[in-house]
Order: sequence, then C-alpha cells, then structure tokens
Amino acid sequence: KQEVTQIPAALSVPEGENLVLNCSFTDSAIYNLQWFRQDPGKGLTSLLLIQSSQREQTSGRLNASLDKSSGRSTLYIAASQPGDSATYLCAVTAGTASKLTFGTGTRLQVTL
Amino acid sequence: DAMVIQNPRYQVTQFGKPVTLSCSQTLNHNVMYWYQQKSSQAPKLLFHYYDKDFNNEADTPDNFQSRRPNTSFCFLDIRSPGLGDAAMYLCATSRAQGAGMSKNIQYFGAGTRLSVL
Repeated sequence: KQEVTQIPAALSVPEGENLVLNCSFTDSAIYNLQWFRQDPGKGLTSLLLIQSSQREQTSGRLNASLDKSSGRSTLYIAASQPGDSATYLCAVTAGTASKLTFGTGTRLQVTL
Repeated sequence: DAMVIQNPRYQVTQFGKPVTLSCSQTLNHNVMYWYQQKSSQAPKLLFHYYDKDFNNEADTPDNFQSRRPNTSFCFLDIRSPGLGDAAMYLCATSRAQGAGMSKNIQYFGAGTRLSVL
C-alpha cells in the first residue's frame, strides 16, 4: 500500500527566505507526482505536476524535483512571501487506479 | 473563472438526515472524483466516475452514494450522516483516455464543508 509522508508538518519562515518542503513515498512505481496548495477552508490548487519520466518542473518561484528511485520529491520556494502561507500537499498516482494518494501536508507560514 | 464548482460551500445537516452535495464542471472532463478530507488529514478518495462507469473505493462506507446524470454534474449523497462524516468534501475532474488515465492533472473545486449536528 502506497504511503506518502511530508516533513516537516509545519514550518514558519521570515519573508524572503528560500525554503524546501519534503515529500517521500514508499512505492516508487508511480505515474506522476503533484504538488498542491490548500488555503484554510478551501479546495486544492495544483501547483506542479511531474511525470515519472521527469526529474523536475518549474513554475515561477516554485521548483519541484522528483527522485523516483529513492521515493522522494522536494518543493523549493524561492524568496518566500506572506501570500505563500498555506498548506502544501504532495500526492502520487500509482497502480492501475486513477486515484491520488496524498500526504498530510506541510503547513507553511511566512511572516513579515 | 471557476471550472469545477461545488455547491453549497457550507452545508449543515442533522444527524441521520440525508444530504446531497453537488459538483459541476465546465471543462468537459470525462473523469470526476469525490474526496473526503477531515481536519488536518489528507484527502481520501471515496469514488470516481470514468465516463459513466462508477468506481467505488473498497473502504468507502455504504452510507455514501454518488450519481452522475451527465458529463457536467456529479452528486454525492450521504444517506444517514453521522457525526464522523463531518468533513470537507472535494470534487475533482480530469481528462483521461485509456492507458493515459493516470497521467493527467486533477482539477479541484473549492469544496463543501459539511457539519453534522
């Protein structure tokens, strides 16, 4: 059974810092990995999708990497801003089903 | 512009009183999903529709049902809500074709927060 773990569970950084969020998964036979953002009480916004054949994806200040063999992904956020404060979830798609298996998220707070 | 729309955003129901949550999409995606997310937990897939084919997760309680009358709409019915069913319910869609199904981005709605009194 696929398990997805995110460390740390919560993180607080001052504005302007670069930061890394970590995601690990137990079954490396995945199709893709997605990073999502969730604001309090809201739905999920897809940030980046990395196919299993890719090593990284970039969007603006965000860069996600994937090391399938070791079962790890990182989300790098450059020059963090207070508006980046949210919970960040990673999820993998694996097996014959279409479902995503989510981690429990990292709650990020960027302070002024 | 919202592409996956969930109504209502907040729903309060009484213990045991049936409730229906609604999801609509303007993306013309062929796959629609329902997830349950309890406080501080990861979203958990309840079921999904691939076109008209319904796929139930093995551990989804019988209390949860779904209907998809057409491509654009999908409903989540909770027949007899219990206190443990209070959660955020998320609808998502994706476009999938055969073997490529697992490679497509899922687009999520804003969710419906269900409270059970």
